[in-house]
This record gives sequence, structure tokens and C-alpha cells, in this order.
Amino acid sequence: AQKVTQAQTEISVVEKEDVTLDCVYETRDTTYYLFWYKQPPSGELVFLIRRNSFDEQNEISGRYSWNFQKSTSSFNFTITASQVVDSAVYFCALSEAQIQGAQKLVFGQGTRLTINP
Amino acid sequence: EAGVAQSPRYKIIEKRQSVAFWCNPISGHATLYWYQQILGQGPKLLIQFQNNGVVDDSQLPKDRFSAERLKGVDSTLKIQPAKLEDSAVYLCASSLGSSWRRETQYFGPGTRLLVL
Repeated sequence: AQKVTQAQTEISVVEKEDVTLDCVYETRDTTYYLFWYKQPPSGELVFLIRRNSFDEQNEISGRYSWNFQKSTSSFNFTITASQVVDSAVYFCALSEAQIQGAQKLVFGQGTRLTINP
Repeated sequence: EAGVAQSPRYKIIEKRQSVAFWCNPISGHATLYWYQQILGQGPKLLIQFQNNGVVDDSQLPKDRFSAERLKGVDSTLKIQPAKLEDSAVYLCASSLGSSWRRETQYFGPGTRLLVL
């Protein structure tokens, strides 16, 4: 069965510090996709990134970067120079193929990130 | 482009009452998902539609939960009768539905349900 583990339940840092959120996954599929979503206090899940299992290149988008390592089944997320607006719950998710072109996401339990001024 | 719309945003009911949630997906998205998110946990898929057909409802408690997407656009999720453990946020998401390899799910703001 597919599983996503986010071992860090809560992280609290001071603004401008760098912070890394860990994500470890389990799957028997050779083709799969990994996602990160942000859930601010308003409740809506905001899509951040999608990565397929054949692309292990790290990705950087502004202050955000992602490190995908198949050897350790990890897909970690780093925020550089954190800001108060980054405070949210962050979810890592793994997709599973479905029939009829649909997709099933399996989510981790989330990491609550608090950035203090 | 308008996002996924959900209503109501909040609902408080007593146990054994019924409740319904509504979702309008992003225009052109064939696939619609309903998730349940219990406080402190990640979202859990309840049911998934491709157009107006059910793809996966294996985690839907069918004795009390039902969902429909009659015209392949809007969807309604119903709970009858509600239990205390149904208190959660109910999230609706949609995606293009062309291929699971290219799918990204976009979420609505959710409905926060409290069962007393």
C-alpha cells in the first residue's frame, strides 16, 4: 500500500531562518507523482509542486526548493529566508494511478509551520 | 479563472441530523473529488467522479454518506444521519481528467462541519 510520512508534526522558526520539511514515501509503483500542498488558516489547499518519479532534478522556485531522492524515497521541501506569510500546514502527497484517467492522492499527516517575527 | 467553489463554508448540526454540501469545480474539469479532513490529519479521499460516473468510492461510508454529480458538473455530498465523528472539513477538488500522469488537483476552501 502507498504511504506518506511527514515525521515533523510542528516546526517553529524565527523569520528569515531557512527551514526544511521532510517527506518520506512508500510505493511499489515504478511510475508515480509526488506533490506538496500548502494549507493556510483559511483552509484551502494550495498546490505548490508536482514531481514525477523519473525526474530527480531538484527544483527551485523563488524561496522554495525541493529535493527528490529516489534512493531514500524522500521528497523534502526547503523554504529559504522564511517569512511570516509562510506560516501554514504543509502536506506532502503521493499519487496512485486510477482507471479512466483519474488520480488518487495519498496525503501525509502534515507539518504545521509557524514563522515568528 | 474561477477556482473550485464550495458552500456552505461552515455548518453546525446535532447528531442524527442530515446535512448536504455543494461543490462547483473549475470549468472544464472532468474529475471531481470529495475529501474528508479530520483535525490534525491529512485529507482522505471519500469519492471520486469522472464526469458523472463514480471512479472510486471505496472509502465512502455508504450507510450514511452519499454523493452525486448528475450532469457531470456540480456535485453534492450528503450525510444522513450525522455522527459526532463526522466533524471535519469536507474538501472538494477537481482536475482535468485527461490522464492521471498529468493531473493536478485543485482544491476548494472546504466546508467545516461540527456535529454536536
